[in-house]
Amino acid sequence: AQSVTQPDIHITVSEGASLELRCNYSYGATPYLFWYVQSPGQGLQLLLKYFSGDTLVQGIKGFEAEFKRSQSSFNLRKPSVHWSDAAEYFCAVGGRAAGNKLTFGGGTRVLVKP
Amino acid sequence: GAVVSQHPSRVICKSGTSVKIECRSLDFQATTMFWYRQFPKQSLMLMATSNEGSKATYEQGVEKDKFLINHASLTLSTLTVTSAHPEDSSFYICSAGDSGGVQPQHFGDGTRLSIL
Repeated sequence: AQSVTQPDIHITVSEGASLELRCNYSYGATPYLFWYVQSPGQGLQLLLKYFSGDTLVQGIKGFEAEFKRSQSSFNLRKPSVHWSDAAEYFCAVGGRAAGNKLTFGGGTRVLVKP
Repeated sequence: GAVVSQHPSRVICKSGTSVKIECRSLDFQATTMFWYRQFPKQSLMLMATSNEGSKATYEQGVEKDKFLINHASLTLSTLTVTSAHPEDSSFYICSAGDSGGVQPQHFGDGTRLSIL
């Protein structure tokens, strides 16, 4: 069975500081990995995805993530956080073996201090 | 980019009412759509996979007769919460992919369902 763990429930960062959100996954085949962001009361917006190739992927809003197969991780990073980055972030794993279903982590809520 | 529209965005109704939620792919065809439920401050839980022209596939523990799913066209899936009760109150979100195989799923904006 596939699973995703986001160890940090809450993270507070100062505006302008760097941000890293952790994601560990378990998947029995080649994983497809995603990061989504959700603002309160809204749906999910795709930040970036990894299917294959370069393990460092660039996304929207200045986010990037690095796939590390040996660590089963797909951590999300941003060099300098803006107040508008305050939101809930979800890591997800899926793949053909799972019939295109996505399994989400528990989410990490990011708070940005002025 | 691909857009998924979900309607209504918010529903408040009395216990015992049936509520229908629509999920539309606006600029692409979606043979498969997914329905999720999200409790406050929690993650998304997949409820069912909606397949165009065939029966939906439900996740373990999801009542098929309570949550009716219809996917009659390549751009529309509906979720009907039948005889809703307060415990059915939640945030429901749909998603769809825009081509075969595993593609990033595009999400609707969700429906906040409140049963009084």
